[in-house]
Amino acid sequence: NAGVTQTPKFRILKIGQSMTLQCAQDMNHNYMYWYRQDPGMGLKLIYYSVGAGITDKGEVPNGYNVSRSTTEYFPLRLELAAPSQTSVYFCASAAVNQPQHFGDGTRLSIL
Amino acid sequence: SQKIEQNSEALNIQEGKTATLTCNYTNYSPAYLQWYRQDPGRGPVFLLLIRENEKEKRKERLKVTFDTTLKQSLFHITASQPADSATYLCALSSGSARQLTFGSGTQLTVLP
Repeated sequence: NAGVTQTPKFRILKIGQSMTLQCAQDMNHNYMYWYRQDPGMGLKLIYYSVGAGITDKGEVPNGYNVSRSTTEYFPLRLELAAPSQTSVYFCASAAVNQPQHFGDGTRLSIL
Repeated sequence: SQKIEQNSEALNIQEGKTATLTCNYTNYSPAYLQWYRQDPGRGPVFLLLIRENEKEKRKERLKVTFDTTLKQSLFHITASQPADSATYLCALSSGSARQLTFGSGTQLTVLP
């Protein structure tokens, strides 16, 4: 049972490039989330989804897009990468009214 | 605006003592409060959840209290061990998908 799997683990981008952060869960959870964590800070919610085909903005959605075509996958898209998007990105999933399970993150640097 | 504060960025205690971490919040009506542990280079791991109508929750050496009048939660680790050294995150849950709002964390170091 893999839980929540995030790929890649590390990535360096140039300003203006785009990329997709992948997230997969094998627990059949309805809810999925994307957070970012800056050094010494707590996690901030970017986007979340309550099920396939349904997504909604969190606290810091600007510069990101998501899609959820299946229960298992919840990719996060960065368009026109900016230095302010240098961060660690965490994906999480949860069953209804249950605690969230987190992946181990993608460490992204934009230079 | 909503705000969550964890009382200190770092806490050092001696092995065997009880560690107490504090989480305060303002302008928030959470459905429930959760505590997570985060080790370097890893994602947060769930520890305990306490609902707004509960005062205290225990799990082995861990205890959480939740005072909605004071808008405060206390997280205790009794008989602390060096293996308990980590960053502990407080998170408030609300919304249709129980989205989490996190504090910035307290880095606990248990000294042998």
